[in-house]
Amino acid sequence: NAGVTQTPKFQVLKTGQSMTLQCAQDMNHNSMYWYRQDPGMGLRLIYYSASEGTTDKGEVPNGYNVSRLNKREFSLRLESAAPSQTSVYFCASSGGTGEITEAFFGQGTRLTVV
Amino acid sequence: GNSVTQMEGPVTLSEEAFLTINCTYTATGYPSLFWYVQYPGEGLQLLLKATKADDKGSNKGFEATYRKETTSFHLEKGSVQVSDSAVYFCALRGGISQGGSEKLVFGKGTKLTVNP
Repeated sequence: NAGVTQTPKFQVLKTGQSMTLQCAQDMNHNSMYWYRQDPGMGLRLIYYSASEGTTDKGEVPNGYNVSRLNKREFSLRLESAAPSQTSVYFCASSGGTGEITEAFFGQGTRLTVV
Repeated sequence: GNSVTQMEGPVTLSEEAFLTINCTYTATGYPSLFWYVQYPGEGLQLLLKATKADDKGSNKGFEATYRKETTSFHLEKGSVQVSDSAVYFCALRGGISQGGSEKLVFGKGTKLTVNP
């Protein structure tokens, strides 16, 4: 039972480069999330998807785009990376609309932008 | 919008000491409340949850009671162990049917270190 799988685990980018963080869940969850974690800031929501085909901005969406490719997959794209995007990124999924269920998290992607 | 405020750390305790980490929230409707734990180098794991007022969530010796009158969900453990050293996050999520947001909102986290 894989749960939530994120790739890659580590990445170093140069300023201005682009990349896509991949996330997949095998729990048939409707809702998926992308968070970033920075020291002293806790987890901040970047984007959220309540169901396949829908996405919604979170607290810190600038500089990011997302795609809910299907029910399983939710990718996060950095079009032009900046040093301020150096962070640990977590993908999560949860049960769905109207269901108050906990979220399950991936292991994280540690991204450094130089 | 919904928000969570939790006690800032770091918190350092000796083994077998009593632990309290305070968490208060602001939300519309009747949110569900969660405590997550993050061990070094890992993702977050659910520690416990409560879905309605006066519910008590418990797991691994940790407890938290959903207090609607004080909008709080404080985490407690009677006797901590070295293995409890981690970062603890309080979180809430409301349902669309309750007029709230489905988004899962986190506090900033409290780092706990337990010394032998």
